Amino acid sequence: SQTIHQWPATLVQPVGSPLSLECTVEGTSNPNLYWYRQAAGRGLQLLFYSVGIGQISSEVPQNLSASRPQDRQFILSSKKLLLSDSGFYLCAWNFGSNTEAFFGQGTRLTVV
Amino acid sequence: AQTVTQSQPEMSVQEAETVTLSCTYDTSESNYYLFWYKQPPSRQMILVIRQEAYKQQNATENRFSVNFQKAAKSFSLKISDSQLGDTAMYFCAFMNGAGNMLTFGGGTRLMVKP
Repeated sequence: SQTIHQWPATLVQPVGSPLSLECTVEGTSNPNLYWYRQAAGRGLQLLFYSVGIGQISSEVPQNLSASRPQDRQFILSSKKLLLSDSGFYLCAWNFGSNTEAFFGQGTRLTVV
Repeated sequence: AQTVTQSQPEMSVQEAETVTLSCTYDTSESNYYLFWYKQPPSRQMILVIRQEAYKQQNATENRFSVNFQKAAKSFSLKISDSQLGDTAMYFCAFMNGAGNMLTFGGGTRLMVKP
């Protein structure tokens, strides 16, 4: 069966520090991968999606970047965090059309 | 780009009653997929129901059903016999025909009252 792992679960970082959130999927090949951000009590904002290794599409130009160094690994990064980067980050995957997206447990990021 | 709109930020319903959550979307595609996800306080995203745009029949999953109006680009969720465990954020989501782009609405916070 397929599983998705996302870590860390909670992170507190100072302004100006770097960020690296990792997401890995097991049990499938060539999944579509997504990064979403959810502000407190708000909807899910699509940040990046990837349909293959090295293929990254950005939906919201900002302080963040994403990379897909391996087929089932998706990394969200920042060189210098801003206060506005605080939020709940969710990684998700799906495979092909007519398939639901499966989500990781999420990372609660607080920038102080 | 597709957009998904949920016009009801918050709703409440009495236990055992029925409630309908609204969702509209905008797309130029003819083939696509629609979903409702539930996010309880644990923040884990849980699929509630899905609908293929090429199917005219509305999807049903136990107490959950949808009213899919393709021409109006409307996709509402009806919850029958509401239970306390239905209390959560509900998100409407649109997936393109290629299955590689999933866009969410802003969510509706549903409170089921005893």
